[in-house]
Amino acid sequence: EAGVTQFPSHSVIEKGQTVTLRCDPISGHDNLYWYRRVMGKEIKFLLHFVKESKQDESGMPNNRFLAERTGGTYSTLKVQPAELEDSGVYFCASSQDPRDDYGYTFGSGTRLTVV
Amino acid sequence: KNQVEQSPQSLIILEGKNCTLQCNYTVSPFSNLRWYKQDTGRGPVSLTIMTFSENTKSNGRYTATLDADTKQSSLHITASQLSDSASYICVVSASMGGGADGLTFGKGTHLIIQP
Repeated sequence: EAGVTQFPSHSVIEKGQTVTLRCDPISGHDNLYWYRRVMGKEIKFLLHFVKESKQDESGMPNNRFLAERTGGTYSTLKVQPAELEDSGVYFCASSQDPRDDYGYTFGSGTRLTVV
Repeated sequence: KNQVEQSPQSLIILEGKNCTLQCNYTVSPFSNLRWYKQDTGRGPVSLTIMTFSENTKSNGRYTATLDADTKQSSLHITASQLSDSASYICVVSASMGGGADGLTFGKGTHLIIQP
């Protein structure tokens, strides 16, 4: 069974540019989560999709971040325009049920560097 | 405010030795506590999940303990191997609060095993 796939694995962009991160969850997992880890800090929740709907986006830092999940399959997270403080590792996770503690699986993350 | 504190921040031990990582939390209402292993460049992978009623849970050479009264957990690694070098993240799940997913992450302990 394929795991949660994220790409690119690394991205270096200049301040002001746009970057789009992609996450492919485990097939059949309706729940998809985005997280971010800024250097020196803990992993923090960004938002939660149930199928194609945003269940909660309370963790999104500002309106420069836009997440979509068309058709309830893969998801994209766009940062436009990117700022220096957006640098970090962006993780995606998926689960079959909302509180499926044992089936909660993370992707390998996308390391974003804004210069 | 829900918080998870881990210690030490980093640890270096020789191959074959044992070590214990600590996690203190102030998350309420408590649902479960998880230890994750994160290899460099990879996403967090679950090692153990413990509920309120579980005091000890093992996964191979990894043994986690939970004291729900003092809100402390430990992860003991026996006979360490070079492949144990990684970040170990304590994550506490609340029935509500934290991110919308109910998870509060610690910053992790960076463990290095030296030959």
